[in-house]
Amino acid sequence: EAGVTQFPSHSVIEKGQTVTLRCDPISGHDNLYWYRRVMGKEIKFLLHFVKESKQDESGMPNNRFLAERTGGTYSTLKVQPAELEDSGVYFCASSDLGQTNYEQYFGPGTRLTVT
Amino acid sequence: QKEVEQNSGPLSVPEGAIASLNCTYSDRVSQSFFWYRQYSGKSPELIMSIYSNGDKEDGRFTAQLNKASQYVSLLIRDSQPSDSATYLCAVNKIADKLIFGTGTRLQVFP
Repeated sequence: EAGVTQFPSHSVIEKGQTVTLRCDPISGHDNLYWYRRVMGKEIKFLLHFVKESKQDESGMPNNRFLAERTGGTYSTLKVQPAELEDSGVYFCASSDLGQTNYEQYFGPGTRLTVT
Repeated sequence: QKEVEQNSGPLSVPEGAIASLNCTYSDRVSQSFFWYRQYSGKSPELIMSIYSNGDKEDGRFTAQLNKASQYVSLLIRDSQPSDSATYLCAVNKIADKLIFGTGTRLQVFP
């Protein structure tokens, strides 16, 4: 079974540009989460989808971040316009809605550098 | 006060020894507790989950949970150099977001 995949693995953009990150969860996983790790800090929650609906977006830093999950499969996270403080590693995780163990499985992450 | 606290380390242990990693959390309603292992530049890999007080063993790993003390630990027996990584403690409140600690870096030397 394929794990969580993310694209791209690395992205270097200039301040003010737009970047779109993609996450493909494990097949059949209805829960999809976005997290971010800024250098030197802990991994922090951004938002949670259940199928195509946003369950919790309390961790989104501001309205420059837009997440979508049309059709309840893959998700995209767009940053527009990017700022220097957006640099970090963006992780996606998924879990099975039907399971009660709440285990989340992480993708390899996208390392975003804003210059 | 951070919601999940871990000593950043590094924790250095010789090969074959027991490595003991500790984590405390502040929210008493936390229900599920997880240990992830992260090699440099890689994704967090789930290695243990625990939900009730006591010990849970899986191979060389034992997770311990004490909800009264709000304390979770991970023991790694017969530590190997390949166990050298950052170990992340995470908690959640039922099908909810994970709250992570900053991680403890473990170094196992031959």
